Amino acid sequence: DVKVTQSSRYLVKRTGEKVFLECVQDMDHENMFWYRQDPGLGLRLIYFSYDVKMKEKGDIPEGYSVSREKKERFSLILESASTNQTSMYLCASSPHGTGGYNEQFFGPGTRLTVL
Amino acid sequence: KQEVTQIPAALSVPEGENLVLNCSFTDSAIYNLQWFRQDPGKGLTSLLLIQSSQREQTSGRLNASLDKSSGRSTLYIAASQPGDSATYLCAVRADSNYQLIWGAGTKLIIKP
Repeated sequence: DVKVTQSSRYLVKRTGEKVFLECVQDMDHENMFWYRQDPGLGLRLIYFSYDVKMKEKGDIPEGYSVSREKKERFSLILESASTNQTSMYLCASSPHGTGGYNEQFFGPGTRLTVL
Repeated sequence: KQEVTQIPAALSVPEGENLVLNCSFTDSAIYNLQWFRQDPGKGLTSLLLIQSSQREQTSGRLNASLDKSSGRSTLYIAASQPGDSATYLCAVRADSNYQLIWGAGTKLIIKP
């Protein structure tokens, strides 16, 4: 079974802190994604990566950066946390696949609160 | 621009009923469509993926169909159980960069 793990289930940080969210997948997937999920706004893509050291901006990259130094690990960085970044953060991975078979698998999520 | 809609936003039915959840998309040029389940405060669980060349996929009591020409997919749940209570989301992969376009979800409550 595909397993996507995230470093923390719950995290509380203070405004201005630098925050690292880590995601690891064990299925040798090429693609990895970071989303945030907020009530009434649904899932929004922050950044994704389709290969090691590659990254692409999603719909809401402002205030975030990412790092992918190894294939299995994709990190989301909040350079200076703000209260409006309080949210549920979800990591996902998928293979490149062929013929449209690139099922996306999710981690358990990190509930981040910025005070 | 591809848009994905799920109607209704919420559904409450008695245990044991067969039910259908709907997902519609505006552009038929898709690579695939995926159905997910999300329990409160948790991550998403992939239920079924239908490639653009397929008409349906089945897993246990779940059956998902795809009609690209009409821009519709349905998720059929047979003999519903209280444990099926969750939010169900559909998402389409619309282009070559692997991103998904998401529906807002249907919150399903199965009453014992």
